[in-house]
Amino acid sequence: KAGVTQTPRYLIKTRGQQVTLSCSPISGHRSVSWYQQTPGQGLQFLFEYFSETQRNKGNFPGRFSGRQFSNSRSEMNVSTLELGDSALYLCASSGAGRGSPLHFGNGTRLTVT
Amino acid sequence: GQQLNQSPQSMFIQEGEDVSMNCTSSSIFNTWLWYKQDPGEGPVLLIALYKAGELTSNGRLTAQFGITRKDSFLNISASIPSDVGIYFCAGQVTGANSKLTFGKGITLSVRP
Repeated sequence: KAGVTQTPRYLIKTRGQQVTLSCSPISGHRSVSWYQQTPGQGLQFLFEYFSETQRNKGNFPGRFSGRQFSNSRSEMNVSTLELGDSALYLCASSGAGRGSPLHFGNGTRLTVT
Repeated sequence: GQQLNQSPQSMFIQEGEDVSMNCTSSSIFNTWLWYKQDPGEGPVLLIALYKAGELTSNGRLTAQFGITRKDSFLNISASIPSDVGIYFCAGQVTGANSKLTFGKGITLSVRP
């Protein structure tokens, strides 16, 4: 079974630009979550999607948004990039069972210059 | 907000030694998870715990869900060089979402 796939692996963007990251969950998983990982803050929850609906949201500004498609694939978008948005963005998927653990992809490393 | 405390930030052990890591919280969690992250990769699930008092093993790894539901520990026995990495604990409140609260992680170094 293929794991969670994230593309691209690396991105370099300039302040003020916008970026879209993509995530394909494990086959059969309908829940997709996004996390931001930085050395200072660690892993911070961004949002979760289930059946194309945002089910939960972390404490990030509105510049961070996401969506999920009918095939459970998800994208997250960051607009008006700031230097502080440089981070590893991790996508995770989980099954439908109660308390099903998250399985992470290898992330997209975003660098904002 | 909820926070998970992992300390120390780094641990250095000799190959073959056992090591134990704790994770504590001011809040109750219904699920405790332990992940390991290698450089350039995403966290990989090691052990999931679903019931207070539960003790679960995965090879040389053993983890326990504290009875108060506010703590968990992970033990690695007979460490080997490939155990090097960052170990994260994570707590989850069971509900209609998959939000995890993570600790800051412990970087484990194993000297051959």
